Amino acid sequence: AQKVTQAQTEISVVEKEDVTLDCVYETRDTTYYLFWYKQPPSGELVFLIRRNSFDEQNEISGRYSWNFQKSTSSFNFTITASQVVDSAVYFCALTTNAGNNRKLIWGLGTSLAVNP
Amino acid sequence: DAGVIQSPRHEVTEMGQEVTLRCKPISGHNSLFWYRQTMMRGLELLIYFNNNVPIDDSGMPEDRFSAKMPNASFSTLKIQPSEPRDSAVYFCASSAYNEQFFGPGTRLTVL
Repeated sequence: AQKVTQAQTEISVVEKEDVTLDCVYETRDTTYYLFWYKQPPSGELVFLIRRNSFDEQNEISGRYSWNFQKSTSSFNFTITASQVVDSAVYFCALTTNAGNNRKLIWGLGTSLAVNP
Repeated sequence: DAGVIQSPRHEVTEMGQEVTLRCKPISGHNSLFWYRQTMMRGLELLIYFNNNVPIDDSGMPEDRFSAKMPNASFSTLKIQPSEPRDSAVYFCASSAYNEQFFGPGTRLTVL
């Protein structure tokens, strides 16, 4: 069975703090893909990053960074020097693409509030 | 390039009426997904298509819901008859490989 767990339901920080959103996944497949999406208060779902299971290099994009660790089945997302505009719900997702299956398994999301 | 286009953006209807939501995927994408999002149930996959063929409709709540994809550039999600519990935001997404790109959603309110 495949599963994505985002244990943090809500996080509240003050602007300029660093914050890490946790994502733990379960799959028996050796080939899989992990994703992060952002849903700001306006409601749209925005794709942030994709990671495949063969690439454990960490990724940095501006203030955003992602730490993929197969040993702990985690794909955590860190926002450095958070800003009010980072306030959103963040979703982690997984797909194995087995048998051309394109279905994403979604976590329940972490609601991040960045306060001024 | 245009993203995923959904219409209408907002729909308010009365119980019992038929509702049709529309989606135009990103050109060149061969997979299309319909999701529903509510506070109670979060984000749920209703159905998805590969190359216009429905692959998995296990998330469709009941027979009142139906979806079609007559060609690569258009899909509809129909609810007939609608009920108040169908009130939600309905998202359409498309993909070419693995990441899905979402439309802005249709906020449906059934009175």
